Amino acid sequence: ETGVTQTPRHLVMGMTNKKSLKCEQHLGHNAMYWYKQSAKKPLELMFVYSLEERVENNSVPSRFSPECPNSSHLFLHLHTLQPEDSALYLCASSQDVKKAYEQYFGPGTRLTVT
Amino acid sequence: AQSVTQLDSHVSVSEGTPVLLRCNYSSSYSPSLFWYVQHPNKGLQLLLKYTSAATLVKGINGFEAEFKKSETSFHLTKPSAHMSDAAEYFCVVTLSGGYQKVTFGTGTKLQVIP
Repeated sequence: ETGVTQTPRHLVMGMTNKKSLKCEQHLGHNAMYWYKQSAKKPLELMFVYSLEERVENNSVPSRFSPECPNSSHLFLHLHTLQPEDSALYLCASSQDVKKAYEQYFGPGTRLTVT
Repeated sequence: AQSVTQLDSHVSVSEGTPVLLRCNYSSSYSPSLFWYVQHPNKGLQLLLKYTSAATLVKGINGFEAEFKKSETSFHLTKPSAHMSDAAEYFCVVTLSGGYQKVTFGTGTKLQVIP
């Protein structure tokens, strides 16, 4: 099992709910990432954090709000989502952003928006 | 700019027979190439990487891949498939370590038939 954990593993939420996804890495890495994985589409990079500073916001709608309180933890706050936001959300980390080619992934949170 | 194409969305093999998962890339400069594997309900795991050293790269679980510049290919192979190899495989290309230049393929699902 990897050194990156994600909770919850499954989440069902209504369009008016507010929920948060949590990611924790135990690898001493300085960079963390949020990805969206939808069926039959390439992995979509959403956000990148380097030493708790956001360095990338890849045109993600504002209903997704990331937070990185320290280099080990990453959150994705969700509110007023749409059904098309249903997907597997993956968190990853790397030693630093310059070594993004070698990322360690968590198991993901399967999100269903009803 | 770079891109990666996984030529097959699904591959089915019998247990004990060879595995071939195809990946072609496009890159203006010498790329680094990677294969990741994703087992059901798990995150992505780095399988092997090519970073301009030996063109034949060996990875975990008996997989290997050969970088062929003339064919712009980086196909993944294994001499004999095991049931545990059933998973989705992603080819990844990057020009450098920076996160901006990491491009994931759309994935190939490998089915292993007993």
